[in-house]
Amino acid sequence: RKEVEQDPGPFNVPEGATVAFNCTYSNSASQSFFWYRQDCRKEPKLLMSVYSSGNEDGRFTAQLNRASQYISLLIRDSKLSDSATYLCVVALRSGGGADGLTFGKGTHLIIQP
Amino acid sequence: DAGVIQSPRHEVTEMGQEVTLRCKPISGHNSLFWYRQTMMRGLELLIYFNNNVPIDDSGMPEDRFSAKMPNASFSTLKIQPSEPRDSAVYFCASRRDFGSGTRLTVV
Repeated sequence: RKEVEQDPGPFNVPEGATVAFNCTYSNSASQSFFWYRQDCRKEPKLLMSVYSSGNEDGRFTAQLNRASQYISLLIRDSKLSDSATYLCVVALRSGGGADGLTFGKGTHLIIQP
Repeated sequence: DAGVIQSPRHEVTEMGQEVTLRCKPISGHNSLFWYRQTMMRGLELLIYFNNNVPIDDSGMPEDRFSAKMPNASFSTLKIQPSEPRDSAVYFCASRRDFGSGTRLTVV
């Protein structure tokens, strides 16, 4: 069983629409959760951390369900520039980056004009 | 801050040759990670260091791979001898910030 599983997509979504995708993780001891964004032939960049209470950053909302070991990302009012691969990431320890990250393979999102 | 700096950006080498990838982490970050990304396997953690000490190298695929961090501002990942299946993008990260990666092609 993969440690972090995501639907690879692609998700083809019209500009302005709302899109949601999610991932599941297998290690119940995981403590930290993130969404990264990766553009084609670029490095992954941290989009946002994910907290148990859910958190929002502008048009982006992340949710964590520890009981189901499930993480979600919602993008409202999608823009062309949101087209990218979104990577679900977990780490065993909380706090600042002292633990390696486990990445899902990513969900490919294409926003269409 | 220049961010995490990796070199070279691209490397093409022949099978059997030694390859050395370099990384300069962000100043003040005490953890450094090496990842490898391929289409088939996605992003995989190879090894990470905390305060220049290797903490977990369980992701290093085999003995042909080695990594060092002689000081807080420099790390290397070496493959000797290289094989075509090592072709991938190798990323260095300090904390959660990634470098631009080295695209390695072994022919």
